[in-house]
Amino acid sequence: KQEVTQIPAALSVPEGENLVLNCSFTDSAIYNLQWFRQDPGKGLTSLLLIQSSQREQTSGRLNASLDKSSGRSTLYIAASQPGDSATYLCAVLVGGNKLVFGAGTILRVKS
Amino acid sequence: ETGVTQTPRHLVMGMTNKKSLKCEQHLGHNAMYWYKQSAKKPLELMFVYSLEERVENNSVPSRFSPECPNSSHLFLHLHTLQPEDSALYLCASSQEAGYSGANVLTFGAGSRLTVL
Repeated sequence: KQEVTQIPAALSVPEGENLVLNCSFTDSAIYNLQWFRQDPGKGLTSLLLIQSSQREQTSGRLNASLDKSSGRSTLYIAASQPGDSATYLCAVLVGGNKLVFGAGTILRVKS
Repeated sequence: ETGVTQTPRHLVMGMTNKKSLKCEQHLGHNAMYWYKQSAKKPLELMFVYSLEERVENNSVPSRFSPECPNSSHLFLHLHTLQPEDSALYLCASSQEAGYSGANVLTFGAGSRLTVL
């Protein structure tokens, strides 16, 4: 059974700091890995999608990497801003068309 | 707005009530999903519909009854719920329900359900 773990569970950093969020999964048989952002009381916004054959994706200040063989992904946020404060969720697409989510990392960027 | 609209945004109901959650997508997608997000737990997939046909039922209790009358609308009918069913219920859609690695889900804002 696929399990997704995100570390740390919560993170508080000063504005301007570069930071890394970690995601690990137990079964390397995935179709893709996605990072989402969730603001309080809101739905999920897709940030980056990495297909199983890819190693990384970049969008603006965000860079996500994927090492499928070791079951790891990282989300790198450069020059963090208070507007980046949110919960970041990692999810892998597995057989049966299921997205298996981690519990998330709650990020707070202090001004 | 993401193109996936959920109503109501907030719902409080008693254990003997019958209510429904509604989801509508304006993206021309063929697959729709219900997810449950409980406090401090990962999102859990409940149901998947592809071209109005249910293709996944993730061991969800029968007190949750989904309905997909067409590819743009998805309902979750609620009956005789328990307090532990209180959660954020998220609807999502995607172009297809297949195994494509590029299958991106678009989520709605969610319906916050409280069962008293």
